[in-house]
Amino acid sequence: DTAVSQTPKYLVTQMGNDKSIKCEQNLGHDTMYWYKQDSKKFLKIMFSYNNKELIINETVPNRFSPKSPDKAHLNLHINSLELGDSAVYFCASSPGGQGSYEQYFGPGTRLTVT
Amino acid sequence: AQSVSQHNHHVILSEAASLELGCNYSYGGTVNLFWYVQYPGQHLQLLLKYFSGDPLVKGIKGFEAEFIKSKFSFNLRKPSVQWSDTAEYFCALRNQAGTALIFGKGTTLSVSS
Repeated sequence: DTAVSQTPKYLVTQMGNDKSIKCEQNLGHDTMYWYKQDSKKFLKIMFSYNNKELIINETVPNRFSPKSPDKAHLNLHINSLELGDSAVYFCASSPGGQGSYEQYFGPGTRLTVT
Repeated sequence: AQSVSQHNHHVILSEAASLELGCNYSYGGTVNLFWYVQYPGQHLQLLLKYFSGDPLVKGIKGFEAEFIKSKFSFNLRKPSVQWSDTAEYFCALRNQAGTALIFGKGTTLSVSS
């Protein structure tokens, strides 16, 4: 009964390919996020969705496109992968858009672009 | 702009030593503050959080942190570390109007037995 799950856990692909990472949460939360952790372990927000609507879209190349088919899922699609996209991508969820609450993180997807 | 600074990049301790990891933030309004831990190869887990009230908060595994508003600090402490505390520690903040967490750059803690 994993709270926030991501697939795949590892993803190795070549430059120029298109890939997707899936995220699902079974906590009944309204808000979901994608964070990127770079090689120096720095974590930065990429996107945030609240009830299937995009509410945060940080400065991320438009090759990255989040998709939320329902409030329990937030997938990340990446077009034309580049070497610099290699990182660990974490999905997270929280109960709402504002107020005092914590975020719950998934196990991460380690993306390696060769 | 909001930011979080973690002063210690890499801390090396022997078992049973006391730990204090520094965290300072930059934001003038009300904030929620967090410490997350990432064990090798694992996902982020919440150690403790501060929303309001008692500025001394206790978390899991014997960790605690003190919110000092005048110093914009939220330092993490543990009286006696164990080898199993070896991990990456992240301080993070979120303002009341925002949604996403803003993370510090993390502190690597290495504990030798």
